[in-house]
Amino acid sequence: QVQLRESGPGLVKASETLSLTCSVSGDSIVDKYWSWIRQPAGKGLEWIGRIYSSGRAKYNPSLTSRVTMSVDTSKNQFSLTMISVTAADTATYYCARNLVRYPDDAFDIWGQGTVITVSS
Amino acid sequence: QSVLTQAPSVSGAPGQTVTISCTGSRSNIGAGYDVHWYHQLPGTAPKLLIFGDNDRPSGVPDRFSGSKSGTSASLAITGLQAEDEGEYYCQSYDSSLNGFVFGTGTKVTAL
Repeated sequence: QVQLRESGPGLVKASETLSLTCSVSGDSIVDKYWSWIRQPAGKGLEWIGRIYSSGRAKYNPSLTSRVTMSVDTSKNQFSLTMISVTAADTATYYCARNLVRYPDDAFDIWGQGTVITVSS
Repeated sequence: QSVLTQAPSVSGAPGQTVTISCTGSRSNIGAGYDVHWYHQLPGTAPKLLIFGDNDRPSGVPDRFSGSKSGTSASLAITGLQAEDEGEYYCQSYDSSLNGFVFGTGTKVTAL
């Protein structure tokens, strides 16, 4: 079955750069859309951005100045980079597959999530 | 902040029907964009429960159903079971924000 798995540093210092990777198994990353979503502890979900296998990306307007997504089709992975992190970026980060309905996609497969803590 | 508003909590006895509401605006639900619903258990990732207002992915019981009217959507759980406890989130697309938006979440408790 399709599985997504996030990998990341766990702990990032404030003002530094966060890098996460999502490895996809059981499905090809090609010709599909993939997203990053985060959730602070005890709070709701926030969509971060979406990327197509061609590399074309779209970001949450509130994060677009700090976020970049990329894709590596040879490794069947996609990645998230967030610069200048603060304590407000502390959250569980999920990668997910878009169920494309354009423009109102759903997210049908999710990774287990990776906890990122920003330390001062 | 979330642009889709949900009641913080709802409860019901096992076997009863509970309804979760999701209120949006003319730039999301009111514009006719699809509403999707997710169920999240503590410490786990959300799971897609309903997509396209009222379609269920394979494996989701038919006691879960969705509806939409105007700027609001609802998820009904018919015959509430203990395993249905957890947090439920609605999600849609917002044309003003040009992105995907989630609801504030509703915690469901089986009494």
